[in-house]
Amino acid sequence: TQLLEQSPQFLSIQEGENLTVYCNSSSVFSSLQWYRQEPGEGPVLLVTVVTGGEVKKLKRLTFQFGDARKDSSLHITAAQPGDTGLYLCAATNDYKLSFGAGTTVTVRA
Amino acid sequence: NAGVMQNPRHLVRRRGQEARLRCSPMKGHSHVYWYRQLPEEGLKFMVYLQKENIIDESGMPKERFSAEFPKEGPSILRIQQVVRGDSAAYFCASSPPYSADTQYFGPGTRLTVL
Repeated sequence: TQLLEQSPQFLSIQEGENLTVYCNSSSVFSSLQWYRQEPGEGPVLLVTVVTGGEVKKLKRLTFQFGDARKDSSLHITAAQPGDTGLYLCAATNDYKLSFGAGTTVTVRA
Repeated sequence: NAGVMQNPRHLVRRRGQEARLRCSPMKGHSHVYWYRQLPEEGLKFMVYLQKENIIDESGMPKERFSAEFPKEGPSILRIQQVVRGDSAAYFCASSPPYSADTQYFGPGTRLTVL
């Protein structure tokens, strides 16, 4: 059983469309991270959120941490083919990151 | 500013051999973590080390696996007498002091056991 549930598992959209990926848990965490992983490479850290209700923006990416610190969302505006990849959420209360299974995003040109 | 470095990137071993995976953390990082990604599974925590100390090895199999982070040199994850079930991608991450939740990952070592 995954501690962090990500949805959807797969997402395929046309260039220019928006998308949202969700990360949910029944547990409360002190911080949550979003990573992107390309095939054959390691996860690349995109953001860390620590405060309930926090919203962080990174260019066309918007990250939100739920008020109760149990869930998070990643929203991409005007997706580009370069956004294609596996998006992973991870969370921790100390140093052990627990990872979700990931959402595979494909942006078609 | 070099990121986390791991070598080798790919390692092939026959059953019963030993595998040694190396990790050099980012400059200024003194905390190292090892994770394993089995085929069709998510990343799972294995061990957390600081220089010359194992802080938490609760995610590491009790037998055949060991890890170290010496005063000088890279962190080493050692797997003795490898079995086919050890085939996986092994990732190392590092973090700065007092920010253990901000972990930067290396490119991983893909271990294949024949």
